[in-house]
Formats: sequence, structure tokens, C-alpha cells
Amino acid sequence: QKEVEQDPGPLSVPEGAIVSLNCTYSNSAFQYFMWYRQYSRKGPELLMYTYSSGNKEDGRFTAQVDKSSKYISLFIRDSQPSDSATYLCAMSAGRGNYGGSQGNLIFGKGTKLSVKP
Amino acid sequence: NAGVTQTPKFRILKIGQSMTLQCTQDMNHNYMYWYRQDPGMGLKLIYYSVGAGITDKGEVPNGYNVSRSTTEDFPLRLELAAPSQTSVYFCASSTPDGRETQYFGPGTRLLVL
Repeated sequence: QKEVEQDPGPLSVPEGAIVSLNCTYSNSAFQYFMWYRQYSRKGPELLMYTYSSGNKEDGRFTAQVDKSSKYISLFIRDSQPSDSATYLCAMSAGRGNYGGSQGNLIFGKGTKLSVKP
Repeated sequence: NAGVTQTPKFRILKIGQSMTLQCTQDMNHNYMYWYRQDPGMGLKLIYYSVGAGITDKGEVPNGYNVSRSTTEDFPLRLELAAPSQTSVYFCASSTPDGRETQYFGPGTRLLVL
């Protein structure tokens, strides 16, 4: 079982739709969870950050973490063509708990999203 | 702040040639990372550094070397280029604040023929 699983898509939705992107993971030590957005031929940029379980909202974006199910989600409301990108989930156990390498991020493979006008 | 900068943006190498990918950050971040990204394969960690003079291997270090003489710079060296090293390389940095959030450069596209 891979440490982080993410459906690569592609996912195509009409403008204005609600988008749900998900990742599952196997390492119960993960406590830092992130979503990165990567436009074509660009570097990933941090979109959302969540520590431990719960929800976090930022404008049209909501990140959810369910540690009991080892499942994280990113919801995009009122999706726009400018949201078309690849979305990567990333997570870490934190460097302080188990040593240096455990703080390194483990990435999902990314889900390619296309929002059609 | 420029953030994380990488040079060159694109390079073609012949098999067996060597090159250095440059990475510089101006955010005074302690931690720096090198990743490679292949189509459909996500980001794979090559090497990382927790501070000047300290480096360690990531998931896919073979064929690469790094050094960290200053906080700002973290160059990645390819000694004998192979077609398997054709990829997009990203440098990233982060602060030691426990959040583990990383900030990425724009990437270097490398083609080995």
C-alpha cells in the first residue's frame, strides 16, 4: 500500500460546479496536511494548510482532514476556469517527533482538474 | 522577495555530460529540498538539507550530488547524465517552524539525449 494515494483524474467539470478532491494515506503519524496547486509548466504553490483533524476554509476553498479514516479532502466552490490545474496533496509527520526525515513531505501524484467555461 | 529561484529554466544534455542545477532562496529558510517530477509520478525527493553544511538523501538520490555551503544556495549536481534523468527538477525551501510547509521554485526542465 502506497503511503499516499490520490486519484490522478483527469477531472473535468463545468464552470460553477463544486469540486471534491481527495487523498487517502496509511501512516497514522501524519499530522500536517497540505494542498498544493500546480499550473502547467509551473512550480507547485501552497494552497491550503491544516494541522491535525478538522476543517479550514479560505474563500472558495475548504480543506478537511479526517484522521480516523486517514482521508483528506479539498472542496472548491463555484469553480472557475482559472482553477484548472493539477492539485497535489502532501503530508508530514513533523520533524520533531521521529527525527529529521519524518518531517519531509510525502506527496500524492496529483489530480488534474479542468474547469470548462 | 524573489522567493526560490532556479537556473537554468531548460537544458539539453548529452549522455555522460555533467551539469549543476542552481537554486537560491532569499527567505532565510533553513530547510531546502530537491525534487524531480515525472509525468504521472508525482514529486520524488532527491536530497534535502536542514541547514548549511548538512545534507541527506531522499527517496531517489542515485546519480545526484548536493552541497550546502550557505543558507541561501543549494545546488544539485548531475555527474554523468543518463536518459533516466530526463525530468523536471524543483527546488523548495521551508522554515523550521514545525508547519513543514514548503515553497517551490519554478523548476528546471532537463532533457538527456
